Amino acid sequence: QSVLTQPPSVSAAPGQKVTISCSGGSSNIGKNYVCWYQQLPGTAPKLLIYDNNERPSGSPDRFSGSKSGTSATLVITGLQTGDEADYYCATWDSSLNIGVFGGGTKLTVL
Amino acid sequence: EVQLLESGGGLVQPGGSLRLSCAASGFTFSSYAMSWVRQSQGKGLEWVSSITGNGASTYYVESVKGRFTISSDSSKDTLYLQMNSLRAEDTAVYYCAKCPSLVNGWCDNWGQGTLVTVSS
Repeated sequence: QSVLTQPPSVSAAPGQKVTISCSGGSSNIGKNYVCWYQQLPGTAPKLLIYDNNERPSGSPDRFSGSKSGTSATLVITGLQTGDEADYYCATWDSSLNIGVFGGGTKLTVL
Repeated sequence: EVQLLESGGGLVQPGGSLRLSCAASGFTFSSYAMSWVRQSQGKGLEWVSSITGNGASTYYVESVKGRFTISSDSSKDTLYLQMNSLRAEDTAVYYCAKCPSLVNGWCDNWGQGTLVTVSS
C-alpha cells in the first residue's frame, strides 16, 4: 500500500488532455514539494516535474504540475502515443523520514 | 554528462548478503544526496534509502532498517548499499539516483538498475 494515492490507470485519445491525481497527507504533500516521474516500459524513471510545477531541461511544456493542500496533479496536454508510460508522484515524508512514491498510473493513449 | 552505473546484483539465498555499488561520474559526487530506489517485477517504485552528500545523514524505509546500510566513498565517487538478511520480498531491480533535493523527493539522474533476486 503506497503512502501516496494515484489512480491505477487513465486513458485518452491522441491530442487530448489527461489529468493524473496524487493524494497524500500532512506529513508529505502537505509539507513538501511534489515531483513527477515518467517511466517508459523497460527503462529507468525520468524526472518530469519537480518542486510542484517546475520542468527540468528537456521536459516538454505539454507536461505541467500543480499542488493544493495535500494533493497534487499532473496534466498532460496534446497527448502523443509516445507518452504511454507509467507516471509516479513522489515527495519526502517528514514523519517517515524517507521519500515516498505513489502507486503509479498507467497512461494509455488510445 | 552525468552517468550512474550500478553493479553487484545477482541471485542470493534468503538470509544471504549482497553489496550493490553505483559508480558516479559527470558531477561533483560529494555535493549531492544519493538514493536507492527499488522496483519489483510489475510493481511500483519504492524508496529504499538515501544519504546526504557529506555522508552525515542516512535514511531508510522501515522494511530495511537494521538490514541494509547505505554508504558512499567520495574518493571513488561511488555509492553503496550493503544488504544483509535478505528476504524474498527484497527481490527487485535496484536503481541508484542523484537527488539534488532530497527533502522534496526529486532525483534528476538515474542508473539503469541492477537486479537482485532472493531465492533458494
